[in-house]
Amino acid sequence: EPEVTQTPSHQVTQMGQEVILRCVPISNHLYFYWYRQILGQKVEFLVSFYNNEISEKSEIFDDQFSVERPDGSNFTLKIRSTKLEDSAMYFCASSESVGDDSPLHFGNGTRLTVT
Amino acid sequence: GQQLNQSPQSMFIQEGEDVSMNCTSSSIFNTWLWYKQDPGEGPVLLIALYKAGELTSNGRLTAQFGITRKDSFLNISASIPSDVGIYFCAGSQPGDNYGQNFVFGPGTRLSVLP
Repeated sequence: EPEVTQTPSHQVTQMGQEVILRCVPISNHLYFYWYRQILGQKVEFLVSFYNNEISEKSEIFDDQFSVERPDGSNFTLKIRSTKLEDSAMYFCASSESVGDDSPLHFGNGTRLTVT
Repeated sequence: GQQLNQSPQSMFIQEGEDVSMNCTSSSIFNTWLWYKQDPGEGPVLLIALYKAGELTSNGRLTAQFGITRKDSFLNISASIPSDVGIYFCAGSQPGDNYGQNFVFGPGTRLSVLP
């Protein structure tokens, strides 16, 4: 069964450094998302992306975050200057379309640790 | 913003027992999704519900989309050890169609005792 893949599985970085988290969504999906989950807490929406632009973003997704689809298969989340509180699991998801009959399919996540 | 509540927060059951958990909101939702998350992994979709009153099964799992569109339940029959994990409900609201901003509940942590 097709799946969303994310790399790396674990990233450790120092505060203030830039990180790029990578995702390969399911190939026929058109809508892409980033969610994050701070340890022990619920999954929180960050951003959705369609047709090479951001569709929606939450208040968590501030100016230090950006997303890009650099080619036909990858979808990336960049954090420009990481803070300690950015430590979390970051999940990429994709869906075939929006609306009914189009649930989100998640990758296994990247655990980001900011020291 | 919109919030989902899940109950119970955690539950300990004996292997073989049936489990019931639910998800409620003060707002109306168009879509309800149920996910299971194992430690260190991403949420895996279990059941998706799209119409009020819809009852859907997936093996030992059954979920229903409440008639009021403000709640959903998930039942697991004859639990087994691999059912252990955190179960999240997620919903999307009317008017939130382009971005499909799914809101997640806080989860129900299930432990199965042999």
